Amino acid sequence: TAGITQAPTSQILAAGRSMTLRCTQDMRHNAMYWYRQDLGLGLRLIHYSNTAGTTGKGEVPDGYSVSRANTDDFPLTLASAVPSQTSVYFCASSFNGEGDYGYTFGSGTRLTVV
Amino acid sequence: GQNIDQPTEMTATEGAIVQINCTYQTSGFNGLFWYQQHAGEAPTFLSYNVLDGLEEKGRFSSFLSRSKGYSYLLLKELQMKDSASYLCAVMDSNYQLIWGAGTKLIIKP
Repeated sequence: TAGITQAPTSQILAAGRSMTLRCTQDMRHNAMYWYRQDLGLGLRLIHYSNTAGTTGKGEVPDGYSVSRANTDDFPLTLASAVPSQTSVYFCASSFNGEGDYGYTFGSGTRLTVV
Repeated sequence: GQNIDQPTEMTATEGAIVQINCTYQTSGFNGLFWYQQHAGEAPTFLSYNVLDGLEEKGRFSSFLSRSKGYSYLLLKELQMKDSASYLCAVMDSNYQLIWGAGTKLIIKP
């Protein structure tokens, strides 16, 4: 089934440790995004990539890094996790970052930093 | 700054009609989206409006007034499975989606 795959589904991480959240899509979408979703707040953009080889900072980029080596993969790395990074993380993709195609979301990664 | 406002929570009765409002102030406008999100799941695309007027898709309709910075999502013949959060999002001049916090819709029998 075409779509976006995120891994892991959930994770408990000790503060100070690093972790990479994986995201892979097979729809040949050129734009990809990482969001975090916290209770009472809207989806907040962490980083995005409009095309392979380019990335940009979103609303809340501090403490996170991304890379986009190819069209399909867009990993999100936490270099040194802190409890405030406890959240649900969603990866999304869209055809060209504009237009009426909408965003397709992965199933999310629930991260708890203790 | 950019802002999307929608009610935090609404309650409706199975079989009835409910309207969820969304007002926005953004830097530019390249369309408005509605997404549905069931608890513990990912958001899924419902509708897209870029021109003023009403777009109908089965039991769901979405309306846009760009001059008023206003949209609504209309759900008819409510079913229990419609219990979810409904997210309003606006694509700004940089083609980035700005998201509202979502409206939790509770359907009662």
